[in-house]
Amino acid sequence: KQEVTQIPAALSVPEGENLVLNCSFTDSAIYNLQWFRQDPGKGLTSLLLIQSSQREQTSGRLNASLDKSSGRSTLYIAASQPGDSATYLCAARMNRDDKIIFGKGTRLHILP
Amino acid sequence: DTGVSQDPRHKITKRGQNVTFRCDPISEHNRLYWYRQTLGQGPEFLTYFQNEAQLEKSRLLSDRFSAERPKGSFSTLEIQRTEQGDSAMYLCASSSEQHPGNTIYFGEGSWLTVV
Repeated sequence: KQEVTQIPAALSVPEGENLVLNCSFTDSAIYNLQWFRQDPGKGLTSLLLIQSSQREQTSGRLNASLDKSSGRSTLYIAASQPGDSATYLCAARMNRDDKIIFGKGTRLHILP
Repeated sequence: DTGVSQDPRHKITKRGQNVTFRCDPISEHNRLYWYRQTLGQGPEFLTYFQNEAQLEKSRLLSDRFSAERPKGSFSTLEIQRTEQGDSAMYLCASSSEQHPGNTIYFGEGSWLTVV
């Protein structure tokens, strides 16, 4: 059974710093991994999706990497801004026709 | 393409009442998912459909819960005889095999409070 873990549960950093959010999964035979952002009381916004054959994906100031062999993914945020404050969730999918399994998320607070 | 739409956004109900949530997926998305999320937790899988067929149901989906997608478009999630433990946000999502990467898109969620 796939389990997804995100550490830390919460993180506060000063504005302008670069930061890394971590995601680990127990079964390395994943189909893809997706990172989401969730603002308080809102739904989830897809940020980046990495296929199992890929090592990383980039969108603007965001870069997500995937290392299947170690069961890890990271989300790198460059030059953080107060507007980046949110909960970031990663989710793993085991095969093309399967559901996605979430971690509990990392609550990020960027200090102005 | 207006995104995944959920209705109602908020529902307060008395314990023991029935509630129904509706989800309209992104048009032409053949897969539709329901998740439940409580405060401080990640979304938990409930069930999913491919077209009108319900392919998987979580053990979280007790006999009081039923989901349908009769014509392979919109879906409903009904909770009968609600309990306080049902209070959560119910999230709907959709995806398409035709979309690059099979990305899953979520709606804004339906908040349920059982009093």
